[in-house]
Amino acid sequence: AAGVIQSPRHLIKEKRETATLKCYPIPRHDTVYWYQQGPGQDPQFLISFYEKMQSDKGSIPDRFSAQQFSDYHSELNMSSLELGDSALYFCASSLELGQGQSYNEQFFGPGTRLTVL
Amino acid sequence: AQTVTQSQPEMSVQEAETVTLSCTYDTSENNYYLFWYKQPPSRQMILVIRQEAYKQQNATENRFSVNFQKAAKSFSLKISDSQLGDTAMYFCAFMKTSYDKVIFGPGTSLSVIP
Repeated sequence: AAGVIQSPRHLIKEKRETATLKCYPIPRHDTVYWYQQGPGQDPQFLISFYEKMQSDKGSIPDRFSAQQFSDYHSELNMSSLELGDSALYFCASSLELGQGQSYNEQFFGPGTRLTVL
Repeated sequence: AQTVTQSQPEMSVQEAETVTLSCTYDTSENNYYLFWYKQPPSRQMILVIRQEAYKQQNATENRFSVNFQKAAKSFSLKISDSQLGDTAMYFCAFMKTSYDKVIFGPGTSLSVIP
């Protein structure tokens, strides 16, 4: 079965540079979530999109922005990178409740490991 | 705001034995979802088991079962016949509605010893 695809899997950037992380949800999934997991930490919710509209926002820095495109893939743009942005970034996708499901499970991608030097 | 607490940062268990991981949470919601996720060294986040709060029956998935105590806001995970492949970080997690974000606990690192 198709899974959530994230690219790149690994990314190394210098401080103050810009990074773009991409997420391709499972086919037919219309909701995307982004999470950030720092070293030794639990994942923290950043932002989510449903049908290309932002549906919820967590502790996402103003330096970060994200969007969901017409094909439902999503991109997380990170500017003015800081050392503290080094983390594993997960994308998860789900199919909105009502389309034959009693519960829409979030399926997690493998993550993008971002290292800021 | 909802919070999830895991009081055991690290645990170990002998292969083939049984281990229980603890989790408590805080919420004012009556209906919600609880999960246990496994994160092995590969860092992939894998759903182990889920529990809907409106269901009184405890969820089971093969060797994994939960003890859900709604009044006590407790949600423990029991792993029976532990296997080496169970070695991982285990996160207890909460979701308010079926389309909400997942709130994770701090995690418990489980080591299965041969």
